[in-house]
Amino acid sequence: KQEVTQIPAALSVPEGENLVLNCSFTDSAIYNLQWFRQDPGKGLTSLLLIQSSQREQTSGRLNASLDKSSGRSTLYIAASQPGDSATYLCAVWGNYGQNFVFGPGTRLSVLP
Amino acid sequence: NAGVTQTPKFRVLKTGQSMTLLCAQDMNHEYMYWYRQDPGMGLRLIHYSVGEGTTAKGEVPDGYNVSRLKKQNFLLGLESAAPSQTSVYFCASREETQYFGPGTRLLVL
Repeated sequence: KQEVTQIPAALSVPEGENLVLNCSFTDSAIYNLQWFRQDPGKGLTSLLLIQSSQREQTSGRLNASLDKSSGRSTLYIAASQPGDSATYLCAVWGNYGQNFVFGPGTRLSVLP
Repeated sequence: NAGVTQTPKFRVLKTGQSMTLLCAQDMNHEYMYWYRQDPGMGLRLIHYSVGEGTTAKGEVPDGYNVSRLKKQNFLLGLESAAPSQTSVYFCASREETQYFGPGTRLLVL
């Protein structure tokens, strides 16, 4: 059974810092991995989708990498801003299932 | 293009009452999902559908039923609500990328 973990559970940084969020999964037979952002009281917003054949994806100040063999993905946020404060979740789509498995999320606070 | 919409946004039920949550998507996606999100438990899959007329159980299906009579709609029913079903419910649809609705907050007293 696929299990997804995220470290750290919470992170607080001053504005302007570069930061890395981590996602680990136990079964490397994945189809793709998706990073989401969730603001308090809101739904999830897709940030980046990485196919299993890709190593990384970039969107603006965000860069997500994928290392299938080690079961890890990282989300790099450059020059963090207070507006980046949210919970970030990763989700893995396995080769043999119909569903995404979600991690518990990392709660990020960027202090002005 | 509204994406994924959910109705209602908020509802209070008494134990034993029934209700239906409606999810609609306008992206012509085959796959649709119902999740619940609880503090400390993360997102858990209740039921899902891989196309019109199909449904399947997820991780926590007990106490819920679903129907997918039209491709764009996915309904989640609670036949006899219990306090343990107090939660935030999210609907999602996908092709490759998964898109989420804004959520329904349900309080069962």
